[in-house]
Amino acid sequence: DSGVTQTPKHLITATGQRVTLRCSPRSGDLSVYWYQQSLDQGLQFLIQYYNGEERAKGNILERFSAQQFPDLHSELNLSSLELGDSALYFCASSPSQGRSNGYTFGSGTRLTVV
Amino acid sequence: QQPVQSPQAVILREGEDAVINCSSSKALYSVHWYRQKHGEAPVFLMILLKGGEQKGHEKISASFNEKKQQSSLYLTASQLSYSGTYFCGTAGYGGSQGNLIFGKGTKLSVKP
Repeated sequence: DSGVTQTPKHLITATGQRVTLRCSPRSGDLSVYWYQQSLDQGLQFLIQYYNGEERAKGNILERFSAQQFPDLHSELNLSSLELGDSALYFCASSPSQGRSNGYTFGSGTRLTVV
Repeated sequence: QQPVQSPQAVILREGEDAVINCSSSKALYSVHWYRQKHGEAPVFLMILLKGGEQKGHEKISASFNEKKQQSSLYLTASQLSYSGTYFCGTAGYGGSQGNLIFGKGTKLSVKP
C-alpha cells in the first residue's frame, strides 16, 4: 500500500456518460497530480493541484475537469466520454510542489468506455 | 517537451548490465526515475537534482548531466525483479515547478 488511495479500481461505462475518479493523497502530501496512461502514449500529465489550488495543466481535454478539496482529496471528472478515453488513470502525490520530491502513485483506475 | 528515452526495450540475462538513457530538449531542474511492473503503479526509484549528480539504489544508479540535459540509469548485475518498464520524468525551471513530464518508457525484461 503506497498510501495513495484511488477509487474505483475499475470502471466500465458507455460513451457519452460522465464519471468521477477519486484520489486521497498520502498523509502529509499537499500536491496531487493526475496522469493518463494508454498503451502507446506512456504517462500523460493532465493536471496538478497544490493545497487546493490548481498549479499546472497538461494536455487535459475540456471535457475533463478536476478539483482538490479542503481535506486534500481530489476528484477527476470525465464527461461526454468517448471510446478513446479508455485508459488507466493514475493519481500521484508529493509533499510539496514536486520537482524536488518523488511522487507516490496510487494503484490507478482502469476506465473502459464501451 | 517530452523527454526521449532509449532504448525502447532491452532483454537481459540475469547478472547482465544495462543502461537506459533519457534526453531532454529543454533545461532541466531535476530528473526522476520510476519503475512500473505490469498492471501496477509506477514506483519511485530516485531523483537527481544537480548537474553531474549520481545516486544509487541497491545495484541501480543514475547520473545527471545538467549541461547536456541528459540522464542515464545504470542497472548492474540485473535480477529477475528488475523486470518492468522504466520511466524518466523531467522537471524544468519556471512554470509550476512541480509537474513531471515522463518519457515513453523503456521495457526491461530479465530472463533466467
